[in-house]
Amino acid sequence: QVQLQESGPGLVKPSETLSLTCAVSGYSISSGYYWGWIRQPPGKGLEWIGSIYHSGSTYFNPSLKSRVTMSVDTSKNHFSLKLSSVTAADTAVYYCARAGYTFEIWGQGTMVTVSS
Amino acid sequence: EIVLTQSPGTLSLSPGERATLSCRASQSVSSSYLAWYQQKPGQAPRLLIYGASSRATGIPDRFSGSGSGTDFTLTISGLEPEDFAVYYCQQYGSSPQWTFGQGTKVEIK
Repeated sequence: QVQLQESGPGLVKPSETLSLTCAVSGYSISSGYYWGWIRQPPGKGLEWIGSIYHSGSTYFNPSLKSRVTMSVDTSKNHFSLKLSSVTAADTAVYYCARAGYTFEIWGQGTMVTVSS
Repeated sequence: EIVLTQSPGTLSLSPGERATLSCRASQSVSSSYLAWYQQKPGQAPRLLIYGASSRATGIPDRFSGSGSGTDFTLTISGLEPEDFAVYYCQQYGSSPQWTFGQGTKVEIK
């Protein structure tokens, strides 16, 4: 059974960098698939942030591209997200997910608040 | 960039009624790349439909998807109490890129 679990600070100061990790169990990241990040501001809809292929190729939402970095660590079987220069608008639940054409398996999500 | 527009924003129905949700794309989308998700409060989204019309594993057959080109529909043939939730469509495009619609809330009337 494939499971994903997000982890990282729940509170980030404005202008700093948000860093999250998604640990994958039950499947080896190096075996394939894209691995993605999606966020959801409180009371709002879903926004795709970016995806990373198991080889390390990255693809980002154009609206966030300048601030996003993603990486994959196959030895630890996890992948990571960094979002720089955060503002209150980046406050959201952040989900990681396994992706093909769809996001078929999701983590439970982690709330990140941007506040001083 | 393809924009997905869902309508209506909110659908107020009673249990047992039929729900019809629309997802319109700003340009043609391959049917293979159109999906629907259900999200309940405090939960991650759950994949319902992929390839515009194929049900994901474990999804009841009261959920069905249809459409092609720029117009896609999710139908729930008879609403059960657990079906009241928010529904999102999503497309996969070249580059690659993934895009979500803004969601339709199905609420109890």
